[in-house]
Amino acid sequence: AQSVAQPEDQVNVAEGNPLTVKCTYSVSGNPYLFWYVQYPNRGLQFLLKYITGDNLVKGSYGFEAEFNKSQTSFHLKKPSALVSDSALYFCAVRDSGTYKYIFGTGTRLKVLA
Amino acid sequence: SAVISQKPSRDICQRGTSLTIQCQVDSQVTMMFWYRQQPGQSLTLIATANQGSEATYESGFVIDKFPISRPNLTFSTLTVSNMSPEDSSIYLCSGVGRNYGYTFGSGTRLTVV
Repeated sequence: AQSVAQPEDQVNVAEGNPLTVKCTYSVSGNPYLFWYVQYPNRGLQFLLKYITGDNLVKGSYGFEAEFNKSQTSFHLKKPSALVSDSALYFCAVRDSGTYKYIFGTGTRLKVLA
Repeated sequence: SAVISQKPSRDICQRGTSLTIQCQVDSQVTMMFWYRQQPGQSLTLIATANQGSEATYESGFVIDKFPISRPNLTFSTLTVSNMSPEDSSIYLCSGVGRNYGYTFGSGTRLTVV
């Protein structure tokens, strides 16, 4: 069965510092990996995805993620955090055949001014 | 990607009543899904909405509690029946459109009192 794990419930980082939100995955076959962000009282917003190709994927709002096959990880990163980045972040894996998503438990990012 | 309009955005309902949530897509989508996000938790897939036939439910979800309709390729409804406070959640629909773009609705925040 496919799964994703987000080991941190919350990540605190100072504004201007780099941030990392961790995600590891377990899939059979090639992984289709995604990051979504959820702001308070808002729906899910797509950040980026890895299907194939370069291991470093660039997405919206200056975020990027690195696909590491040997470590089965897909960590979300940003070189310089903004207070407005404070939100709930979900890592997800998508079944290539059914298009169903399996979401991680979410990581709350808090960027401190 | 397609744009999905979901309504209502929020509602407060009495226990024992039912609420129907609607999702309208601005273009044809091949697949539509319904997810639930309970307070403080991740998103869980409820069912795949099949056009013109009964939805396919995930383990733990049944048609009597969450009847779903999808009369055409651009519209689907989810009904939360005989509600209890445990049904208080955010409900989201999603769709896979042409070129396999994946979009979420903005969500319905349901509170059952």
